[in-house]
Amino acid sequence: NAGVTQTPKFQVLKTGQSMTLQCAQDMNHNSMYWYRQDPGMGLRLIYYSASEGTTDKGEVPNGYNVSRLNKREFSLRLESAAPSQTSVYFCASSEFHGGDQPQHFGDGTRLSIL
Amino acid sequence: GQQVMQIPQYQHVQEGEDFTTYCNSSTTLSNIQWYKQRPGGHPVFLIQLVKSGEVKKQKRLTFQFGEAKKNSSLHITATQTTDVGTYFCAGPILYDKVIFGPGTSLSVIP
Repeated sequence: NAGVTQTPKFQVLKTGQSMTLQCAQDMNHNSMYWYRQDPGMGLRLIYYSASEGTTDKGEVPNGYNVSRLNKREFSLRLESAAPSQTSVYFCASSEFHGGDQPQHFGDGTRLSIL
Repeated sequence: GQQVMQIPQYQHVQEGEDFTTYCNSSTTLSNIQWYKQRPGGHPVFLIQLVKSGEVKKQKRLTFQFGEAKKNSSLHITATQTTDVGTYFCAGPILYDKVIFGPGTSLSVIP
C-alpha cells in the first residue's frame, strides 16, 4: 500500500499562475486534509473533507479551493498564486473525522511562487 | 483562539544525553497526539494520550499527559542520531479539528 500519495513533489510558479495539487489515499479513509507548513509555524489546516461529498474551511483557507473528487482523492487549487503561498503542502487522511483520529501524511509538495 | 504552544523551539544535544519537549494548551484537551517529522520528510504519528495523568512509553520515548489535560511532554532517554527531527504535539479544538503546535526541532551531535 502506498498510503497517501501527493503530486507533484516540487513546483515553481510565477505570481498569478494557477495550479492544482493532487492527493490520493488507498487506505479507504473517510476524511482528508490539506495543510501548509511554514518555518516555525507548524502545520496549519487549509481545508478538510470530513467525508466524501463535504468540504470545510480550516485555519487559513483564503486563496485556496478544494475538491473531494471521490473517497480516494482530494485536490487543492491555487487560482492565482501569490508569493505568500510559497510553502510545503501536506495532504493527510484519517479513518474518520475527529480530534482523536491519527492522521497519515503524504510526502508533501514543495511549492515556490516567484 | 485556542493555541497549542511548544518549548523549546530548538534543542541541540550530545548523543547519549536526554531530551524533553513540552506542549501547552490554552484550553483543556480531550486528547493529545504526538508526531515526528524527519528532516525533509513528512509528519508521522507516534502516539495518542487520552487520560488525565497518563504515561505511555515507546522504547526510549516517554509521553505524559498532564493532570489538568492542558499540557504534555515527550522525554527521550539517551538520544541517538536516529532521533533527529521535529516533534509536534497536536490537540483537538471544538472536538473535531486538530491544531498542531509549532514543533521542537531536535539536533543530535554524534
